[in-house]
Amino acid sequence: AQKVTQAQTEISVVEKEDVTLDCVYETRDTTYYLFWYKQPPSGELVFLIRRNSFDEQNEISGRYSWNFQKSTSSFNFTITASQVVDSAVYFCALSERETSGSRLTFGEGTQLTVNP
Amino acid sequence: GAGVSQSPRYKVAKRGQDVALRCDPISGHVSLFWYQQALGQGPEFLTYFQNEAQLDKSGLPSDRFFAERPEGSVSTLKIQRTQQEDSAVYLCASSRPGSTDTQYFGPGTRLTVL
Repeated sequence: AQKVTQAQTEISVVEKEDVTLDCVYETRDTTYYLFWYKQPPSGELVFLIRRNSFDEQNEISGRYSWNFQKSTSSFNFTITASQVVDSAVYFCALSERETSGSRLTFGEGTQLTVNP
Repeated sequence: GAGVSQSPRYKVAKRGQDVALRCDPISGHVSLFWYQQALGQGPEFLTYFQNEAQLDKSGLPSDRFFAERPEGSVSTLKIQRTQQEDSAVYLCASSRPGSTDTQYFGPGTRLTVL
């Protein structure tokens, strides 16, 4: 069965520090998709990135970067030069095309606090 | 509208009452999903529609939960005879045609059952 593990429950950093959020997944499908969402205190889940299982290229978007490694079943997320506005809960999620259709399986989330 | 909207944003119900939660997806989005998020947890899948067809309801926790999308647009999640364990945030998401397209979420409805 599919599973997503975010081992870091809470992370606290000081502004301008770099921080990496870990995500490890389990799946039997060969075709799957991985996502990161941000949930600020307002509660709405904000989409950040989507990767498919055939594309292992790392991606950078401004201060955000993602490292996808199939060999270790990991999809880690790094924020460079963190800012107070980055404080939120971050969720990693998995969608399996063959086994479970369209549903997203989420990890437990990592609460990131960036202190001024 | 530009995004997924949900109403009400907050709902307080007495145990045993029925509640109805509404979701209005992004215009043109064929797929619609409901998730339940307990406090401090990640969202958990409840059910999925493609147009008006409910293709997967395997995540509904009991027969007290019922969802519909009669015209393939707005969806309603109904919970009958609410229990305290139903207290959670109920999130709705929609996506374009294509089963693995990105899901965009609404702000959620926070349900508190007293």
